Amino acid sequence: QKEVEQDPGPLSVPEGAIVSLNCTYSNSAFQYFMWYRQYSRKGPELLMYTYSSGNKEDGRFTAQVDKSSKYISLFIRDSQPSDSATYLCAPEGGFNKFYFGSGTKLNVKP
Amino acid sequence: GAVVSQHPSRVICKSGTSVKIECRSLDFQATTMFWYRQFPKQSLMLMATSNEGSKATYEQGVEKDKFLINHASLTLSTLTVTSAHPEDSSFYICSASRGAGGQFFGPGTRLTVL
Repeated sequence: QKEVEQDPGPLSVPEGAIVSLNCTYSNSAFQYFMWYRQYSRKGPELLMYTYSSGNKEDGRFTAQVDKSSKYISLFIRDSQPSDSATYLCAPEGGFNKFYFGSGTKLNVKP
Repeated sequence: GAVVSQHPSRVICKSGTSVKIECRSLDFQATTMFWYRQFPKQSLMLMATSNEGSKATYEQGVEKDKFLINHASLTLSTLTVTSAHPEDSSFYICSASRGAGGQFFGPGTRLTVL
């Protein structure tokens, strides 16, 4: 079983839609949960992170963690074409070691 | 803040040669640096973790004699792909961490081995 499972997509939505990106994980010891965005042929950039269960909001982005069900979500409100990228979830397994999901490719159509 | 650079951004080499990739944290001191490899349409695969002044810790299946990592300072790590072969062609990405709060990635190096 993989440490982190993520639907690879692609996910195609119209501009302005609410996007929901999700991951599941298997290790209950994970405490930090990161979301990265990667544009084609670029390195990933950190979007936001949460600690333990709960929600965290940053502008149009909301990260949500439910440790009881080992479920991680990233919501994007009022999606824009510039949000088109691959989104990677990455729980941290201690000592700064991250376990990356396969990434979900998002396409926001104008 | 938290900018990480990589050099070169792209390299093409002949089979059998060695290639060195540099990773620098520009505005912070990185306690740990990581090297990843990413094949087309796949996620990042961690190759090794390195701390300044100590030997790198390699992930299972990664040949330490083929992928030499040197972490000379708190702002510089290098990855040398020795005797490169076409199957080593990939996108190599480094990241740097300054503690809790995530890793900061470089822009990546695209290696093509002919």
